[in-house]
Amino acid sequence: KQEVTQIPAALSVPEGENLVLNCSFTDSAIYNLQWFRQDPGKGLTSLLLIQSSQREQTSGRLNASLDKSSGRSTLYIAASQPGDSATYLCAVDTGNQFYFGTGTSLTVIP
Amino acid sequence: DADVTQTPRNRITKTGKRIMLECSQTKGHDRMYWYRQDPGLGLRLIYYSFDVKDINKGEISDGYSVSRQAQAKFSLSLESAIPNQTALYFCATEASPNEQFFGPGTRLTVL
Repeated sequence: KQEVTQIPAALSVPEGENLVLNCSFTDSAIYNLQWFRQDPGKGLTSLLLIQSSQREQTSGRLNASLDKSSGRSTLYIAASQPGDSATYLCAVDTGNQFYFGTGTSLTVIP
Repeated sequence: DADVTQTPRNRITKTGKRIMLECSQTKGHDRMYWYRQDPGLGLRLIYYSFDVKDINKGEISDGYSVSRQAQAKFSLSLESAIPNQTALYFCATEASPNEQFFGPGTRLTVL
């Protein structure tokens, strides 16, 4: 069974700092990996989708990388802002199911 | 209008009651999913459907059933609700195989 781990569980940084969130998975046989943002009590918003053949994807201040062989993905957030405060989840798609990590709760301090 | 909608958004019910959560989508996707989210446990898959005639159990299907009434509608039922089914429930759609899109969630409390 695929297991997805996100470290750290919580992170607090001052505004303007660049930061990296980590996601690891145990089975490299994946179709894609998706990063989401979740605000408290809300649904999940898709941030970036990386297909298994890709190494990275970028959207604005966000950059996600994927290393299938080592079972790792990172989400890089540049010049963090208080509005980036949320929980960030990664999910791997095995073709039949998505498996989610438990998320990293990010707080950006003004 | 939202692409994936869920009703109700909040529900409080009593142990033993039957309850149905509904999900509708306007994205035209074939694949639909039901998840529950619990603090510290992340999202866990309950059931999924790849088209109207296809229903599959997920990781935690016991105590739940689903109905795929149409491409756009996927309902989750709790036949006899129990307190440990208190959670946040999400419906999601997927253009196969591709991104998942989530509804706003239903907060269910079973007393």
